[in-house]
Amino acid sequence: QMQLQESGPGLVKPSETLSLTCTVSGGSISSGGYSWAWIRQPPGKGLGWIGSISYSGSTYDNPSLKSRVTISADTSKNQVSLKLTSVTAADTAVYYCARQPMFALGKDTFDIWGPGTMVTVSS
Amino acid sequence: EIVLTQSPATLSLSPGERATLSCRASQSLGSYLAWYQQKPGQAPRLLIYDASNRATGVPARFSGSGSGTDFTLTISSLEPEDFAVYYCQQRNSWLTFGGGTKVEIK
Repeated sequence: QMQLQESGPGLVKPSETLSLTCTVSGGSISSGGYSWAWIRQPPGKGLGWIGSISYSGSTYDNPSLKSRVTISADTSKNQVSLKLTSVTAADTAVYYCARQPMFALGKDTFDIWGPGTMVTVSS
Repeated sequence: EIVLTQSPATLSLSPGERATLSCRASQSLGSYLAWYQQKPGQAPRLLIYDASNRATGVPARFSGSGSGTDFTLTISSLEPEDFAVYYCQQRNSWLTFGGGTKVEIK
């Protein structure tokens, strides 16, 4: 059974870079057919897609984040990483990683999620 | 960006009642709409994809309908574990979520 687990600092200073890792177990991130996404949820608010990386390494992210996002993958560790630069208080949120089917049933939905990790931006 | 508007914001119902949740899109999605359930302190769970297809393991009391700009999630008879927040999500143009509908116990 596939599981995803986010990890990283819970506190980041304004203007610095937020860095998170998603470790996938129970399956390979490069086995094909899936992208791996980052999604966030500010406290008490709704969900927002940040970006995704495909099994082949192609990336695409939310234009509203104005090129602050870098998503990468380390297939040797079966991990996907997120970097978000120049953070402000508005980036305070629970950050989730999720599996995103690329083809056929459930295409471009998020069918398996990690439990999420809270990141606070504060000095 | 496609905007998804969910209504009502809160739905107060009793166990056993029928819940009808709405998601309206700012432009046509075809059938490219999904629904999720989120309980407090938990990650969302995929319920419905492509407007009307139940995800694996989702009970039959959950059903989705609609196309174009108007979509509905129906829970035929609310169970105690169904009280939660529900989000819609579109995949027609980038990926965006609605603001959510909270289904609370009356």
